Amino acid sequence: DAGITQSPRHKVTETGTPVTLRCHQTENHRYMYWYRQDPGHGLRLIHYSYGVKDTDKGEVSDGYSVSRSKTEDFLLTLESATSSQTSVYFCAIRHTGVLTEAFFGQGTRLTVV
Amino acid sequence: GESVGLHLPTLSVQEGDNSIINCAYSNSASDYFIWYKQESGKGPQFIIDIRSNMDKRQGQRVTVLLNKTVKHLSLQIAATQPGDSAVYFCAENSGGSNYKLTFGKGTLLTVNP
Repeated sequence: DAGITQSPRHKVTETGTPVTLRCHQTENHRYMYWYRQDPGHGLRLIHYSYGVKDTDKGEVSDGYSVSRSKTEDFLLTLESATSSQTSVYFCAIRHTGVLTEAFFGQGTRLTVV
Repeated sequence: GESVGLHLPTLSVQEGDNSIINCAYSNSASDYFIWYKQESGKGPQFIIDIRSNMDKRQGQRVTVLLNKTVKHLSLQIAATQPGDSAVYFCAENSGGSNYKLTFGKGTLLTVNP
């Protein structure tokens, strides 16, 4: 899977608790992305990173924060999880400096009860 | 806001027929487009891409057409097979150095034997 690992793969958490999802890559790629996927909405961009400590918001960033302190890890945090954040979360990476495709992880299924 | 969209949410074809999946985009500054295939329970997988300075690109059994005048993208699959059944997404890369990548809602392709 192009050297990209998401953890955990499945998680059930309670409303109001903090949750952190991790995306780890071994490709040394500059660009990393977090998407959520829900029925009828396709893949929606939450946040993305174009370098260490360089991040920007996507189309559905409210309620989420990210951090990228080193090239290989991109963390997505739900500060206080809500039921509306129940979703499948995908991380993606792209090669540095070249217009090319993004490679996706296997996804994390998060359920907020 | 600017986003990528699809005209047809579902498409059902007979095995051996050709399939055409359409996508409209609204960001005239987008410089690169990608088609992905997603099978149930998996992350999206790259099919074919095209840069904005091209109007057609062919792969193995797939062709992508880009019409910048009407901001339209299509994916043609020749001799569709049951293994082609999946959800197909188009994605666009916004112009600029941050490589923001956004997706449309997806089209479910069903191939009937």
